[in-house]
Amino acid sequence: NAGVTQTPKFQVLKTGQSMTLQCAQDMNHEYMSWYRQDPGMGLRLIHYSVGAGITDQGEVPNGYNVSRSTTEDFPLRLLSAAPSQTSVYFCASSYSGEGLGGYTFGSGTRLTVV
Amino acid sequence: GDSVTQMEGPVTLSEEAFLTINCTYTATGYPSLFWYVQYPGEGLQLLLKATKADDKGSNKGFEATYRKETTSFHLEKGSVQVSDSAVYFCALTSGYSSASKIIFGSGTRLSIRP
Repeated sequence: NAGVTQTPKFQVLKTGQSMTLQCAQDMNHEYMSWYRQDPGMGLRLIHYSVGAGITDQGEVPNGYNVSRSTTEDFPLRLLSAAPSQTSVYFCASSYSGEGLGGYTFGSGTRLTVV
Repeated sequence: GDSVTQMEGPVTLSEEAFLTINCTYTATGYPSLFWYVQYPGEGLQLLLKATKADDKGSNKGFEATYRKETTSFHLEKGSVQVSDSAVYFCALTSGYSSASKIIFGSGTRLSIRP
């Protein structure tokens, strides 16, 4: 089925470890983005990309890196995990940034940093 | 900057009750407005949208009207069901380039009692 695939679904990290959250879409969407969802705070934008080779920072980019080498993939890297990065992470894609056709979200990655 | 304000939850209703979830926004220019729904353990799904003033978005019995004069986009449903229990997010996009981003409210949790 077409959509946004995120892996892994769950992950536990120790403080200081690094990891990559994977995101892939098969809808040929140009716009992709990463959000974190924390209780009572809604979704906050971490990084986004308007096309292969182009990325930019969102509202809460510190501690995260992204790259976009292909249209399909948009991985999120945690460089040195901290307990404050415990959250649920969502990847989303859209035909364009305006999202008039709607954003398609992955099912999320629940990350715990101990 | 642009922002979205939703009524705080949780909202608890009995089955077949009338639902209103309030949403107001602040934006420069002419935003497009959205409601997204998140069922337990899943990512967000587009529920409905409106792209200009006085437009009414509707889907699955839910409706919302874009009111420019009151900067509001309240979500309504005439008769809720247990299956409507979820978190609802109001959102907007504004901007005229593919670099524009979607801004979410903090979400309203809805619980429906049988």
